[in-house]
Amino acid sequence: ETGVTQSPTHLIKTRGQQVTLRCSSQSGHNTVSWYQQALGQGPQFIFQYYREEENGRGNFPPRFSGLQFPNYSSELNVNALELDDSALYLCASSLTPGQRVSYEQYFGPGTRLTVT
Amino acid sequence: QQQVKQSPQSLIVQKGGISIINCAYENTAFDYFPWYQQFPGKGPALLIAIRPDVSEKKEGRFTISFNKSAKQFSLHIMDSQPGDSATYFCAASFRGSTLGRLYFGRGTQLTVWP
Repeated sequence: ETGVTQSPTHLIKTRGQQVTLRCSSQSGHNTVSWYQQALGQGPQFIFQYYREEENGRGNFPPRFSGLQFPNYSSELNVNALELDDSALYLCASSLTPGQRVSYEQYFGPGTRLTVT
Repeated sequence: QQQVKQSPQSLIVQKGGISIINCAYENTAFDYFPWYQQFPGKGPALLIAIRPDVSEKKEGRFTISFNKSAKQFSLHIMDSQPGDSATYFCAASFRGSTLGRLYFGRGTQLTVWP
């Protein structure tokens, strides 16, 4: 069974640039959630993708967007980067069987984004 | 607005001792309470979780105690070991429009010294 993988591991961008982060979900999982973890804080929910559609969003502006692909992998895109976007971005996958909610989320190692 | 409040922020325990981390919540719709363990440079790893229909769940040295009336839950680590040194996060989730969205506490940095 393959765990959640994310790429790249680290990234340095300049304010105003755009960035794309990638996530491969755990084998068999069909739901992907993205979280932002600022230094010394708990992860904050950005949004979730299920059946290739956004299925809920936290308190993040529209310049944070995402995609989910037929193989359940996902991308997080951030436009017009700001200094406060510097954080660890975590992807979590889970299995949502039919109409039932699956609460167990498994996290990847994260992508450390630094905006200068 | 922090939906889940966690304390203490940091904890130092001697090897073999008991580590206790507490969390409180307000939203009574929460029905799933996991604990995650995070090592530096790694993502959070699911440690143990509980539903509100039970008051305690034990897995090895890790125990969750749950008090529904007080809206509090805690993690107890028995016989704490240096390898347990990590940041621990409590979280909560509820059945709603988003499938299992997690609300995290701010974390507790645990140090177990030999």
